[in-house]
Amino acid sequence: ETGVTQTPRHLVMGMTNKKSLKCEQHLGHNAMYWYKQSAKKPLELMFVYNFKEQTENNSVPSRFSPECPNSSHLFLHLHTLQPEDSALYLCASSQDPGTKETQYFGPGTRLLVL
Amino acid sequence: GQQLNQSPQSMFIQEGEDVSMNCTSSSIFNTWLWYKQDPGEGPVLLIALYKAGELTSNGRLTAQFGITRKDSFLNISASIPSDVGIYFCAGQPFYGGSQGNLIFGKGTKLSVKP
Repeated sequence: ETGVTQTPRHLVMGMTNKKSLKCEQHLGHNAMYWYKQSAKKPLELMFVYNFKEQTENNSVPSRFSPECPNSSHLFLHLHTLQPEDSALYLCASSQDPGTKETQYFGPGTRLLVL
Repeated sequence: GQQLNQSPQSMFIQEGEDVSMNCTSSSIFNTWLWYKQDPGEGPVLLIALYKAGELTSNGRLTAQFGITRKDSFLNISASIPSDVGIYFCAGQPFYGGSQGNLIFGKGTKLSVKP
């Protein structure tokens, strides 16, 4: 248990569906991240939020829409996804932007797009 | 962009054997991290290294920050079945006064035969 929870753990959706992934951290951290993990590829950073403000978007398609209502919660809204978006989506948090290296990961949401 | 070369991609060893894996980069990093990911879970931080030449242990795990700042090594002594999983290295570059985002290797999949 790392103090970062993610729901749902598994999700199957069609290309026309809209769904949301949720991440919650109980560590009192101020920075939160979304990563995409595909087979045989390095973790890909998608978004970074510092103190609820988005500070980085690594050229992620607009069909992925993040939301950070407070420092403890992070969402990833999904709509009109493609099969190649199937992957493990990981949320992480760190104390503050200056300590990016000490990131704690959630268990991930395994997403399958049909 | 920057990449990390992690090797080997996979290892299949006998219980009790020692394990060694490494990551190399063409760029300099200020921080090196080693994570382990169990099936169905997110990566868990094992060891963090902050200075060139630093050697740090965590139980049977030992990691070193290469003197050139372009590589890092992880050793596991006397492996046991619960060491099974995927080990990731991650490096944090330093860009003109600020910490960059973590860059991850592709992982080393470790299998241990009892």
